[in-house]
Amino acid sequence: AQSVAQPEDQVNVAEGNPLTVKCTYSVSGNPYLFWYVQYPNRGLQFLLKYITGDNLVKGSYGFEAEFNKSQTSFHLKKPSALVSDSALYFCAVRDVESNDYKLSFGAGTTVTVRA
Amino acid sequence: EAQVTQNPRYLITVTGKKLTVTCSQNMNHEYMSWYRQDPGLGLRQIYYSMNVEVTDKGDVPEGYKVSRKEKRNFPLILESPSPNQTSLYFCASSLSSGTAYEQYFGPGTRLTVT
Repeated sequence: AQSVAQPEDQVNVAEGNPLTVKCTYSVSGNPYLFWYVQYPNRGLQFLLKYITGDNLVKGSYGFEAEFNKSQTSFHLKKPSALVSDSALYFCAVRDVESNDYKLSFGAGTTVTVRA
Repeated sequence: EAQVTQNPRYLITVTGKKLTVTCSQNMNHEYMSWYRQDPGLGLRQIYYSMNVEVTDKGDVPEGYKVSRKEKRNFPLILESPSPNQTSLYFCASSLSSGTAYEQYFGPGTRLTVT
């Protein structure tokens, strides 16, 4: 079975400060990992993914994430947050060795960036 | 413009009245999927399809049906809706069933069952 945990329901930061959104995962094999963002009244948009290779992945809008296999984590980061980054963020995982094609999402983390 | 469309965007219905939510993509994607989003639970996968005529259950398939007769369309059918199916529904597609590919999401359908 595969699962994702986002331990923080909400993250609040001041504009210009670093932003971190935490994600840990559980799979029996190797993971494909994804981050998506949802702005109010919109569908989800893809930010970045880890498939293989370099543990530091860079994505859209200045976001990056670091894959840490020993800690089974894939935290999303941005060095300097903007008010426009305020949104709902989802981490997702798929077990590569699984013989199905399910994708599991975390419960989401609401990010608020104050001016 | 590459996109996933869903209709209707908003729907209020009564218990037991069959309904269909349509989903269409114009990107020639193989993989399509339906999710429901509920507060505190995130997105949960209902059904997915690897290609035409190939579908499988996600984590919460009870009370739902799907079909994939054409590559671009993946309708979600609620034969006898119940209040616990009140939710925000998203359709998504990706290039391949390998799911190493990112998914493109539709705008969502907010369903209320009374």
